[in-house]
Formats: sequence, structure tokens, C-alpha cells
Amino acid sequence: NAGVTQTPKFQVLKTGQSMTLQCAQDMNHEYMSWYRQDPGMGLRLIHYSVGAGITDQGEVPNGYNVSRSTTEDFPLRLLSAAPSQTSVYFCASSSVGGPNYGYTFGSGTRLTVV
Amino acid sequence: GIQVEQSPPDLILQEGANSTLRCNFSDSVNNLQWFHQNPWGQLINLFYIPSGTKQNGRLSATTVATERYSLLYISSSQTTDSGVYFCAVEPWNFGNEKLTFGTGTRLTIIP
Repeated sequence: NAGVTQTPKFQVLKTGQSMTLQCAQDMNHEYMSWYRQDPGMGLRLIHYSVGAGITDQGEVPNGYNVSRSTTEDFPLRLLSAAPSQTSVYFCASSSVGGPNYGYTFGSGTRLTVV
Repeated sequence: GIQVEQSPPDLILQEGANSTLRCNFSDSVNNLQWFHQNPWGQLINLFYIPSGTKQNGRLSATTVATERYSLLYISSSQTTDSGVYFCAVEPWNFGNEKLTFGTGTRLTIIP
């Protein structure tokens, strides 16, 4: 049982390049979300999804796109990378509720935009 | 939006000591979780505790929802407890689909 898998673990981009951060979960969780973590700050929500075909914006959505075509996958796309997007990105999944409810996080992607 | 404040921001303790971390939030919540981010960056869910008290080994947590705060207790600290502890909440009028995080408490346990 792999949990939440993020790829790549590290990435360096040039300003203006685009890329997709991958996130996959094998727990059949309905909810998935993307967060970014900047130094000295907590995690901030970028986008989230409550099920396949349904996505919504979080606190800091500008410059990012998401889609959710399957329950398992929730990729995050950077449309035109900017230095301000240098951060560590975490993907998370959770069930709707239940006795074992709780968020499971991936191991993160460290992105540097130069 | 809802505000989450954690205190203290930093805590340095000797191995074996006990500690209490606090999380204050500005609105009623239906979801409160505590996470530990280890020195390698991995985030581990410790507790889901929108109200009441839970215990898991040396760790326990209490949330007093009516007074809008939660406490995380760590007893007999070990060096592996080092890292950053985050509190995260979701307001009462949402489901469980997204969380607002505090800025964390950085705990350092000295051998």
C-alpha cells in the first residue's frame, strides 16, 4: 500500500517553462488537494477536489491548473513558471469521514524556478 | 477566512522532558488535525480531534471547541520527536475537503 505518491521529488525550471507535478493515491480517497510550503510558513492550499471531475480553488490558485479525471490521480500544472513559485509542494488525500479519517500526505516535490 | 495561531513558535527541550503545544483558532470548526513534519520534510497525521481528548502512546491531544483552542501534549520527549508540529482546521460550515494550517511550532529535543 503506497499511500500518496508524488513525482518528481526535485525539479529545477527556468522562468516561463511549464511542467506537471504528479500525484497518485491508492486508498480510494474521495478528497485530494495540493498545498505549497514556503520557509517559515505553514501550508497554503492551492487547489482541491472532492471527487473525479470536481475541482475548486484554494487560497493561492493563481498560476496553477488542476484536473481530476480519475479518483486516483490529481496532477498540478504550472502554466508559466515564475520565481515566486519556488516552494515545496505537497499533495494530500483523505476520505470523506469515518473512524480512520485523517489526511495522508505525499513526500513532497521541491521546485526551484530560476 | 479562519485564523490559526500556534504557540510557542520554537521550543528547545532536553530529552525526557514534557511539552505542551497550543493551537488557537478564530471560528468554530468541524475538523482539527495535528501533524508532525519530521526533519526530512515528511508530514505525518497525529490526531483528528475536532473536540474531546485522544491519546496515542506518549502523545495526547485535547480540543476545547467552545473556547476555540487545542493542545498537543508530548511526554518523555525523544530526539525523534524533533520537527515542526502543525495544527490545521476547517471551519464549521465546510466539509472535510480542505484545511487551513497554522505556522507551526518547531520542537528541538536535545540528547
